[in-house]
Amino acid sequence: DAGITQSPRHKVTETGTPVTLRCHQTENHRYMYWYRQDPGHGLRLIHYSYGVKDTDKGEVSDGYSVSRSKTEDFLLTLESATSSQTSVYFCAISGSGRAEVDEQYFGPGTRLTVT
Amino acid sequence: AQSVAQPEDQVNVAEGNPLTVKCTYSVSGNPYLFWYVQYPNRGLQFLLKYITGDNLVKGSYGFEAEFNKSQTSFHLKKPSALVSDSALYFCAVNGPGGFKTIFGAGTRLFVKA
Repeated sequence: DAGITQSPRHKVTETGTPVTLRCHQTENHRYMYWYRQDPGHGLRLIHYSYGVKDTDKGEVSDGYSVSRSKTEDFLLTLESATSSQTSVYFCAISGSGRAEVDEQYFGPGTRLTVT
Repeated sequence: AQSVAQPEDQVNVAEGNPLTVKCTYSVSGNPYLFWYVQYPNRGLQFLLKYITGDNLVKGSYGFEAEFNKSQTSFHLKKPSALVSDSALYFCAVNGPGGFKTIFGAGTRLFVKA
């Protein structure tokens, strides 16, 4: 696997609490992504980053925010967790040049359960 | 808007037989197409991609895929399936200038010994 770690790997939290997931890479790749995986939906992009402090929304960004203060770290925050945010969250990186033609490398995932 | 369809939720093949996992796409402009595989309790792994050039693309683990522009398809193939190929396969597409990769819903491949 590429040098991507995610923490925590598993988390159970209560509705209404804030949650932060961390993605850390050692590849010095420019682009970073957060996806969620749900049965029947494949992977859906939440937010992405194209550089330090440069981020933008994906297709399912409501209720999520991100920050990237260093090349190696990309944080995903659920501002007030809801049961609909129970999912498996994957971080991915890419980054040799043009994002649209580069393959992505994925982290091991974080399984989040909101009760 | 970009979209990807994987018409089969599940594909069953016998070991040693050829396998095909289907994918069709819709995108404005030239498509950039990808296949990824997910083994149980793992993240996704890149298999192969089509950017331009030869319509037949070869990738990891003996997989290949054929880009067909007229049919807007990018089917994944392997001449002889292995039990270890059993996994969840995702097709994905990007359009020109796009960061927002769109993934299909996935096709679960079962290879029976």
